[in-house]
Formats: sequence, C-alpha cells, structure tokens
Amino acid sequence: GEDVEQSLFLSVREGDSSVINCTYTDSSSTYLYWYKQEPGAGLQLLTYIFSNMDMKQDQRLTVLLNKKDKHLSLRIADTQTGDSAIYFCAVNGSYIPTFGRGTSLIVHP
Amino acid sequence: DAGVIQSPRHEVTEMGQEVTLRCKPISGHDYLFWYRQTMMRGLELLIYFNNNVPIDDSGMPEDRFSAKMPNASFSTLKIQPSEPRDSAVYFCASSRGGDEQFFGPGTRLTVL
Repeated sequence: GEDVEQSLFLSVREGDSSVINCTYTDSSSTYLYWYKQEPGAGLQLLTYIFSNMDMKQDQRLTVLLNKKDKHLSLRIADTQTGDSAIYFCAVNGSYIPTFGRGTSLIVHP
Repeated sequence: DAGVIQSPRHEVTEMGQEVTLRCKPISGHDYLFWYRQTMMRGLELLIYFNNNVPIDDSGMPEDRFSAKMPNASFSTLKIQPSEPRDSAVYFCASSRGGDEQFFGPGTRLTVL
C-alpha cells in the first residue's frame, strides 16, 4: 500500500519561513493534501494540490510537488505562533487518502 | 451543518470494561472513517465504510475492536474488553466520494 513519510518535528523562529516535507510511494496519486491539527482538535484541510500541478500558492502557503522524486512540501511564509500545530501530509493513491504521521511545528519568539 | 459529531468527548474507564464510541457523519457523505491517534504510532486508519458497508478493516488492531454503521447517519466503534494500551484519541471522519475528509473533534479514551 501507500507509504507516506514526514519528519516528526520542526522548530522555527517567529517571522521565519517554515518548510514541511513529505515523501510518498504511490505515483498514481491524483490529489495530495495538507491538513492541520491544532491542540485538542481534529484535523482540518489546509490546502491541496492536483498531481498535474507543480506549485500552488494560497496567501502565506506554498505547496510544491516534485512528482519525479515523489516529494511534497508545504512552505509557510512569515510563520506566526498561531501556526504552531501538527501538519499532516495525505496522498490519495488507491482512492482513499493515506496520512503521514504528522510534523509538529513549534514556533518560538 | 454541524460537522462530524463524536461522543463522548472524553471517556475514562477501567481495564476490562466495554467502551462504545459514537459518530454522526456529515449529512450526504458516503464515506466514514475511524482513526486512532497516539504519540507513539501517530494517526492510524482503523476501518472505513462506504455507503454503510465496511470496506477495509485491516487496521483494526484485534478482535476486541468492532465497528458498525447501521445507517448513513450513525456509526459506533466498540472495544471489549478494553486494555490500557487502547488509550488514545479516536477520530471519526467523513467524506463525499473519498476526497477531502472532515474530522470530528475526537474522543479521548483513557483506560486505567
């Protein structure tokens, strides 16, 4: 089945850019997602990208997709303390999305 | 719509007791998912349903776990008997056509 890998932690200073990386194995993926989980809450969809795109920008968020390397990244510009959360990569391979383990983003002043 | 509703939000029970977690998906969604989240193992898919039919239960840890979806607006996840290692946050999610999933707030289960 699909395998989705993420690093577990990322620590950044407020105002810097954050880059969260994800690798996956299924090259037939059509949709790739980023979800955000705030403390004590469920996951919420943050953004997504179609597999025929290389980049998608949405305000402070930039998603980059390298299909050749099966690598997905999420860049958050001007990271704020409110961005502290767990970020999950999810890949829609065999119709049902497979989630990574999540990257805990810690933003410190 | 109120979103995905889960109950209870918190459950504390003793080892050996039966635990039932409940979920009401978003109206019109045809997929329902049960996940478990722990620090050690991250987010694990336990089982999912399509049109009330269980499609893949390969993530269910063992026979102590069972899930049902008697109709389109209700699902349960039951653990009998419960064990301390079952302590986790259990999420229910629903989607239309298997795309974007909408998650409930979760049930935090503690088994003493």
